[in-house]
Amino acid sequence: GQNIDQPTEMTATEGAIVQINCTYQTSGFNGLFWYQQHAGEAPTFLSYNVLDGLEEKGRFSSFLSRSKGYSYLLLKELQMKDSASYLCAVRRLGSNDYKLSFGAGTTVTVRA
Amino acid sequence: DSGVTQTPKHLITATGQRVTLRCSPRSGDLSVYWYQQSLDQGLQFLIQYYNGEERAKGNILERFSAQQFPDLHSELNLSSLELGDSALYFCASSAGADQPQHFGDGTRLSIL
Repeated sequence: GQNIDQPTEMTATEGAIVQINCTYQTSGFNGLFWYQQHAGEAPTFLSYNVLDGLEEKGRFSSFLSRSKGYSYLLLKELQMKDSASYLCAVRRLGSNDYKLSFGAGTTVTVRA
Repeated sequence: DSGVTQTPKHLITATGQRVTLRCSPRSGDLSVYWYQQSLDQGLQFLIQYYNGEERAKGNILERFSAQQFPDLHSELNLSSLELGDSALYFCASSAGADQPQHFGDGTRLSIL
């Protein structure tokens, strides 16, 4: 099994920066994904890290440290539409398959 | 639009009944995944198919079954429904097990 921990809620102001942390414990680690999910809608793929370091995609960046079992998603220049749940997901390589397990999600509220 | 199509969008039925949820993956994607998302549980992996064959099983109840057909669409069958089965059921697809998963809009199942 695996444990994936991320904060339940975060609040930030429009235009600001927010960092969502995710820690995990797993065997057979094979990558970490971040998804955005607006209430009642489908999760949308944001980023993927398999090697240590920072991946930047526009206003969103994701960082991974495999030795520490730690990742973060950085959201810059926050917009109201960024209010959503952000899901950290860990992929594990099993005997003949990959399994993706999701954290409970962090609800980010952006205030004007 | 992720390219993953799920039908129906909403389903209302009674306890003890049986329903079938349908998923068409993105063009070219061979892997299909089913997830259940309820308010208190987060996204729970149910089952994965790859090119017609079952590849991985998660927390899927014995009352639930799935299959992937030669045209790669998939169906999730839920039987002897209970109140606790009320949830959003998502289908996702990927080009391969090591690629990001892309989610459909989900089927909202309500058991009365």
